[in-house]
Amino acid sequence: QSALTQPASVSGSPGQSITISCTGTNSDIGAYNYVSWYQHHPGNAPKLMIYEVSNRPSGVPDRFSGSKSGNTASLTISGLQVEDEANYYCNSFTSSATWVFGGGTMLTVL
Amino acid sequence: QVQLVESGGGVVQPGRSLRLSCAASGFFFSSHTMHWVRQAPGKGLEWVAYISHDGSNSNHADSVKGRFTISRDNSNNTLYLQMTSLRTEDTAVYYCARDQSNSWCVDYWGQGTLVTVSS
Repeated sequence: QSALTQPASVSGSPGQSITISCTGTNSDIGAYNYVSWYQHHPGNAPKLMIYEVSNRPSGVPDRFSGSKSGNTASLTISGLQVEDEANYYCNSFTSSATWVFGGGTMLTVL
Repeated sequence: QVQLVESGGGVVQPGRSLRLSCAASGFFFSSHTMHWVRQAPGKGLEWVAYISHDGSNSNHADSVKGRFTISRDNSNNTLYLQMTSLRTEDTAVYYCARDQSNSWCVDYWGQGTLVTVSS
């Protein structure tokens, strides 16, 4: 159950676009479309931003989008806003019927 | 509205046991798979365990397998995490979380309860 691999940090300016990658294996991301992304502001509960690779829950702005290619999933945030600054975690179901999170990516909006 | 309220956290010595509870309200508890997820100080999120809507299936992360047990009481809308043989590395905020249903993702989280394992 090795954690999915995410960059430790990314940054962007307001209005720009950024992409956070999440690399797994053919036993998790590559095997299932059960990839989700969570936004986490310290001190608060995490918030679901994307589920099943590319679906947005109601209330999540369409500036957030998800995709997958092979064993790598990606979260793209366009039109960056200051309030997007947070930690982002990817997650996948695995062939062992477990869940695995990425190590987390700290997004800084400069 | 959906509410998940964890309780049972605290300070415990290594090797001892603790049971966390999560009181659910605002939705049909017995219809949803539930999870426990934790976050150690300064670390990322780590999945701990899940249990199916009727309790017939469950699984645990390798890091806690054999020491932690997830269970539920659908008649009382409560999720549990029995933790035994606690280690210092189990120190974390423990979140109770609701699976969205057939999507293997969490759409609601509790606010978390802090477990500190220290002598």
